[in-house]
Amino acid sequence: KQEVTQIPAALSVPEGENLVLNCSFTDSAIYNLQWFRQDPGKGLTSLLLIQSSQREQTSGRLNASLDKSSGRSTLYIAASQPGDSATYLCALCSGGGADGLTFGKGTHLIIQP
Amino acid sequence: GAGVSQSPRYKVAKRGQDVALRCDPISGHVSLFWYQQALGQGPEFLTYFQNEAQLDKSGLPSDRFFAERPEGSVSTLKIQRTQQEDSAVYLCASSSRGTRREQFFGPGTRLTVL
Repeated sequence: KQEVTQIPAALSVPEGENLVLNCSFTDSAIYNLQWFRQDPGKGLTSLLLIQSSQREQTSGRLNASLDKSSGRSTLYIAASQPGDSATYLCALCSGGGADGLTFGKGTHLIIQP
Repeated sequence: GAGVSQSPRYKVAKRGQDVALRCDPISGHVSLFWYQQALGQGPEFLTYFQNEAQLDKSGLPSDRFFAERPEGSVSTLKIQRTQQEDSAVYLCASSSRGTRREQFFGPGTRLTVL
């Protein structure tokens, strides 16, 4: 059974810093990996999706990498802003008919103005 | 439609009552998913539809939970004889069946069972 771990569970940094959120998983047989953000009381917003054959994806100040052999993904946020404050969730799709996502518990990020 | 919509946004039920939660996916999306999110946790997969066919219901916690998508668009998650441990946010997501299979989520329904 796939297990997803996100470290750290919580992070508070001053505005302007670059930061890295980590996601590890136990089964490398994945179809894709998605990073989401969740604001309090809201649904999930998709940030980046990395296909199994890809190594990284970029969108604006966000960069996500995938290393299946080590069972790791990182989300890099450049020049953090207070509006980046949210919970960030990593989720894996195993494919092969099992298309439901397996989520980590998330990293609660606070960017101090 | 602009995105996935869910109704109601909030539902309070007395223990033992039946509830029905609705999901309207993005138009044209073949796949539809239901997840349960407890406070402070990541979402947990419940069930998955491709068109009207329920392909995976391995995450449904008990036979009190039932989901349907009779015409391959709107879906309803029904919980019978609700219990306090059913209190959670219920999230719906949809995706196209293309190679990418990116999932897009609705705002969720917060269920509180008293």
